[in-house]
Amino acid sequence: KAGVTQTPRYLIKTRGQQVTLSCSPISGHRSVSWYQQTPGQGLQFLFEYFSETQRNKGNFPGRFSGRQFSNSRSEMNVSTLELGDSALYLCASSSDPGTGKDGQYFGPGTRLTVT
Amino acid sequence: GESVGLHLPTLSVQEGDNSIINCAYSNSASDYFIWYKQESGKGPQFIIDIRSNMDKRQGQRVTVLLNKTVKHLSLQIAATQPGDSAVYFCAENIRTGGSYIPTFGRGTSLIVHP
Repeated sequence: KAGVTQTPRYLIKTRGQQVTLSCSPISGHRSVSWYQQTPGQGLQFLFEYFSETQRNKGNFPGRFSGRQFSNSRSEMNVSTLELGDSALYLCASSSDPGTGKDGQYFGPGTRLTVT
Repeated sequence: GESVGLHLPTLSVQEGDNSIINCAYSNSASDYFIWYKQESGKGPQFIIDIRSNMDKRQGQRVTVLLNKTVKHLSLQIAATQPGDSAVYFCAENIRTGGSYIPTFGRGTSLIVHP
């Protein structure tokens, strides 16, 4: 079974631009969560989607948004990029997020650099 | 590989030793706790979890201890191997909206010397 895939793996953007990152979950998984990882703040939860609905959201500004499609693939968008948005963005999928995280698998991440 | 953090606490051990990694959590309402392992260039990997109604759980070579009184979590790795070298994170979770919202610790870098 293929793992979680994220595209692109690396991205360089300029302040003020917007960016869209993509995540393809493991086949059969309906939950997709997004995380931001930085040296300063560590790993932080962005949001979780389950069956195309945002189920939970972390403490991030409205510039961060996401969506999930009927095939469970998910995208996250960051508008009006700031230098502080430079980070590794991780996606994780699971079949049922409500029972626990032992079945949650992370992708390799997208490294976003904002200049 | 990807850098997961600067100035992380570091634990250096010899191969074959037992390792203990500690984590303090902040929210007494957290009811589900997880340890993750992250190797350079990869996403985090689930190791073991424990719910708040337990104080100890064992897996293969790993044991997690939970002390709710002092809000402390530890991960014990038996007979540490070079392949265990990685950054280890704890996460406290609160159940919300049918799922869990995690808050992650900063991580500890484990270095295993052969």
